[in-house]
Amino acid sequence: AQKVTQAQTEISVVEKEDVTLDCVYETRDTTYYLFWYKQPPSGELVFLIRRNSFDEQNEISGRYSWNFQKSTSSFNFTITASQVVDSAVYFCALSEAGNTDKLIFGTGTRLQVFP
Amino acid sequence: DSGVTQTPKHLITATGQRVTLRCSPRSGDLSVYWYQQSLDQGLQFLIQYYNGEERAKGNILERFSAQQFPDLHSELNLSSLELGDSALYFCASSTAPRPYEQFFGPGTRLTVL
Repeated sequence: AQKVTQAQTEISVVEKEDVTLDCVYETRDTTYYLFWYKQPPSGELVFLIRRNSFDEQNEISGRYSWNFQKSTSSFNFTITASQVVDSAVYFCALSEAGNTDKLIFGTGTRLQVFP
Repeated sequence: DSGVTQTPKHLITATGQRVTLRCSPRSGDLSVYWYQQSLDQGLQFLIQYYNGEERAKGNILERFSAQQFPDLHSELNLSSLELGDSALYFCASSTAPRPYEQFFGPGTRLTVL
């Protein structure tokens, strides 16, 4: 069965702190795709990253970095030197190559960054 | 701005009524997806269309239906509305049916009174 677990419901940090959002997934497929989306208070869903199951290289984009580990079925997201504008709900999602193209979302982690 | 447009932004209606939500995908995108976001169910996939054809169905109620028109815009029809249908409805589009990144519209917030 496919499933995405984001165990952290809410995280609060002070500006400039580093923060890691955890994502654990379950799938029987050998080919799958993992995503992170950001939902700011305005409500839209903003695409951040897509990773396929064959590419375990970690990725860095500015203050954002992602750690993909197949051995632990995890795809964690780290924000370095957090800013108030990072306050949002972050969703991890899974798509299986052999099971349509739908995104299976986790329940989200609400990140609050205080000045 | 993702390039995906949805109308209306907000919709308030009564139980038993029928509404239509509209989505225009990004220019060139052939695939359209509908998702529902509610407090108790989270973000759930409803249905996908690719170039006018239904491609996949998720947890979509029989009271709900969708279609994609030749100009690629899509409509989600919700009928016999119940209080529990109150939610944020998102449309997303992608360039192909494979799981490339899906770009989401701003959503339509439906309130059923």
